[in-house]
Amino acid sequence: DIQMTQSPPSLSASVGDRVTITCRASQRINSYLNWYQHTPGMAPKLLIYAASSLQSGVPSRFSGSGSGTHFTLTISSLQPEDFATYYCQQSFSTAALTFGGGTKVEIK
Amino acid sequence: EVQLVESGGGLVKPGRSLRLSCAASGFTFGDYGMGWFRQAPGKGLEWVGFIKKKIHGGTTEYAASVRGRFTISRDDSKSIAYLQMNSLKTEDTAVYYCSRGISMSGFSRFDPWGQGTLVTVSS
Repeated sequence: DIQMTQSPPSLSASVGDRVTITCRASQRINSYLNWYQHTPGMAPKLLIYAASSLQSGVPSRFSGSGSGTHFTLTISSLQPEDFATYYCQQSFSTAALTFGGGTKVEIK
Repeated sequence: EVQLVESGGGLVKPGRSLRLSCAASGFTFGDYGMGWFRQAPGKGLEWVGFIKKKIHGGTTEYAASVRGRFTISRDDSKSIAYLQMNSLKTEDTAVYYCSRGISMSGFSRFDPWGQGTLVTVSS
């Protein structure tokens, strides 16, 4: 299976901060990379698909970049509702989808 | 509004079976594949399996951790996807989510997701 490694596992930030989360794949996955946001007790939410395409309805402060094995999710100006856990997920191997371990964004 | 609602979770003893349901509304269910995912206590998201839409054969794929024990099926007439879980283990304890699979130009993603249903496997 393709291993997805996120960093950092957690971070503390303030409202208004720029936040960047990194995701690395154990092999090349081109742009087959999605990002999800998960708040406890809520349904996970798709933010970014195909590495850099913003899902409809998602605020433009979220952006994704990367290709191959190295990807990033950036929140340009952190808002109170953005404190959550973020996961990358590869869709290159459709018979064995895998997620990163998650990055928990906490209030500083 | 596109909506997914999981049900069927609960407390079950190891070795027993449980069937989860995912009721869909707000879209043409038969036009989409459906995925199942889970989150164990204190852990991250894990893919469980996927069922393609009928026009693509309605075939299924499973994570290695559940293959041979779990079965995904679908009833397009009722807009429901099922997750049959047999030979349950304590490590299957998790919140289980269903999600609609979207594939475009070869890129697949899952949206939206249901709120989840809790399965606890314990003696």
